[in-house]
Amino acid sequence: NAGVTQTPKFQVLKTGQSMTLQCAQDMNHEYMSWYRQDPGMGLRLIHYSVGAGITDQGEVPNGYNVSRSTTEDFPLRLLSAAPSQTSVYFCASSRSGVTDTQYFGPGTRLTVL
Amino acid sequence: DQQVKQNSPSLSVQEGRISILNCDYTNSMFDYFLWYKKYPAEGPTFLISISSIKDKNEDGRFTVFLNKSAKHLSLHIVPSQPGDSAVYFCAASAYNNAGNMLTFGGGTRLMVKP
Repeated sequence: NAGVTQTPKFQVLKTGQSMTLQCAQDMNHEYMSWYRQDPGMGLRLIHYSVGAGITDQGEVPNGYNVSRSTTEDFPLRLLSAAPSQTSVYFCASSRSGVTDTQYFGPGTRLTVL
Repeated sequence: DQQVKQNSPSLSVQEGRISILNCDYTNSMFDYFLWYKKYPAEGPTFLISISSIKDKNEDGRFTVFLNKSAKHLSLHIVPSQPGDSAVYFCAASAYNNAGNMLTFGGGTRLMVKP
């Protein structure tokens, strides 16, 4: 099993550009989520999904869109990148909800110039 | 305002001794708490958890203690090993969002010296 995979590992964008961070899991997990990690702030929840076709906002959703058309994939879209979105992004999945063990991907380091 | 706080950004201990990592929270609706461990350039991995109906949970060298009246939890690692050197995050889930959202603390970097 590959677990949770994220692509790309690194990305540099210019202000105003858009891009999609990919996340896939092969564990048939219903719950998937996206976090950003900033120094001293821990991980903050951006969006989450409890199943295909169902998404909801987390703590810091502004500037990001998500969709969940399949159980396996949960892409995160940056609509118009801003320097404040420079961060490390982690995708995670679990069988159902955050009280189950969440499995994290290796992360995507994004720099917005 | 951070609802989950880890006030010590770093901690250094000698191999074989006890490591104690602390976490405080402010939201009284939190009813489930977790600790995650993170190595550089990797995603966090689950370590141990505790429900608010308990005050202690143990798994091998790792024990988590919960003091609900003080809104405080701690992670004890005994004995500490050099491989335990990592950043540790505590996290909490509230019963009013159906277990769908985690709030993380800022992390504590543990360094275990041989």
